[in-house]
Amino acid sequence: KQEVTQIPAALSVPEGENLVLNCSFTDSAIYNLQWFRQDPGKGLTSLLLIQSSQREQTSGRLNASLDKSSGRSTLYIAASQPGDSATYLCAVNTGTYKYIFGTGTRLKVLA
Amino acid sequence: GAGVSQSPRYKVTKRGQDVALRCDPISGHVSLYWYRQALGQGPEFLTYFNYEAQQDKSGLPNDRFSAERPEGSISTLTIQRTEQRDSAMYRCASSFRPTSARTDTQYFGPGTRLTVL
Repeated sequence: KQEVTQIPAALSVPEGENLVLNCSFTDSAIYNLQWFRQDPGKGLTSLLLIQSSQREQTSGRLNASLDKSSGRSTLYIAASQPGDSATYLCAVNTGTYKYIFGTGTRLKVLA
Repeated sequence: GAGVSQSPRYKVTKRGQDVALRCDPISGHVSLYWYRQALGQGPEFLTYFNYEAQQDKSGLPNDRFSAERPEGSISTLTIQRTEQRDSAMYRCASSFRPTSARTDTQYFGPGTRLTVL
């Protein structure tokens, strides 16, 4: 059974710092992995989608990497801003339409 | 165009009542998903529709939960005889292509916060 774990559960950093969020999964047979951002009162916003054949994806200040063999993905946020404060969720697709989510990392960027 | 919308945004009900939660996916999206998210947890899959066909309902916790999408667009998740343990955020998502693509991004709605007293 696929399990997804995110570390740390919560993170507080000063503005401008570069940071890394971690996601690990137990079954390396995945189709893709997606990073989402969750803001209170809003839906989940897709940040980056990495296909199983890819090693990384970049969007602006965000960079996500995928190492299938070790069951890990990282989300790198450069030059963090207070507006980045949110909960970040990773989700894996094991070849069906279902996404299996981690429990999330609550990020707070202090001005 | 507009994103996925859900209504109501908040629902408070008494134990034993039935509730119906509505999801309006992005226009033209073929696939529709329901998830449930407990506080401090990630969303958990409930059920999936491809057009109007319910392809998978394996995540529905018991037979008090049901869902439909009669015309392949709007979907309703119904919970009968609600219990306090049903309290959670219920999220709907949609994606453009049929699941055979498997690479499609799911777009999530804002969710319905259900509280059962």
